[in-house]
Amino acid sequence: EVQLVESGGGLVQPGGSLRLSCAASGFTFSNYIMHWVRQAPGKGLEYVSVILREGGGTLHADSVKDRFTTSRDNSKDTLYLQMGSLRLEDTAVYYCAREGGSSGLAPFFDFWGQGTRVTVSS
Amino acid sequence: DIQMTQSPSTLSASVGDRVTITCRASQSINNWLAWYQHNPGEAPKLLIYKASSLESGVPSRFSGSGSGTEFTLTISSLQPDDFATYYCQQYHSYSYTFGQGTKLEIK
Repeated sequence: EVQLVESGGGLVQPGGSLRLSCAASGFTFSNYIMHWVRQAPGKGLEYVSVILREGGGTLHADSVKDRFTTSRDNSKDTLYLQMGSLRLEDTAVYYCAREGGSSGLAPFFDFWGQGTRVTVSS
Repeated sequence: DIQMTQSPSTLSASVGDRVTITCRASQSINNWLAWYQHNPGEAPKLLIYKASSLESGVPSRFSGSGSGTEFTLTISSLQPDDFATYYCQQYHSYSYTFGQGTKLEIK
């Protein structure tokens, strides 16, 4: 059974840092492109970042570029989101999601975690 | 970046109704369009991918159609579990974007 379990959320002050983790199981993690998506309170889903399979090339949304870093450890089946220079508007539930195919182009998200809540507040 | 305009933002309907949600892209996205169902406190659920392909395990009352820039999600006969928020999502040239969401409410 595919499982994605996020952790690391919490309360952090503006300007602070936090690292989120997403532990994967039930599939060959290294074969899949992985993503982060967030949802601010009362808002819709917002795309955050993508990391490719082996080699780990990344892309980030403009709203988090140069502040957030996405990485993965395929030996630990874990995805990370290092969040820095946090702002009030980064307050959200953060989801990790698996891209749909183990090869080729399948740019949709077939499995999601339950999310971890990040609150940026003084 | 490609913008996705989803409508309506809220939809009131009754069990048994047929409903349609629309998503428009600011430019052609070659059918890389997916639809998700999201309930509060839960993980979003993939319903439709590549505009019209039904994800395994999703009831056949859900269907997707469209091409180029205009896409629709149709639920043929609403069931109680279907009252949720629905999002479209596009992919084009290493860019991913969600629509603003449609909240489907019980009338």
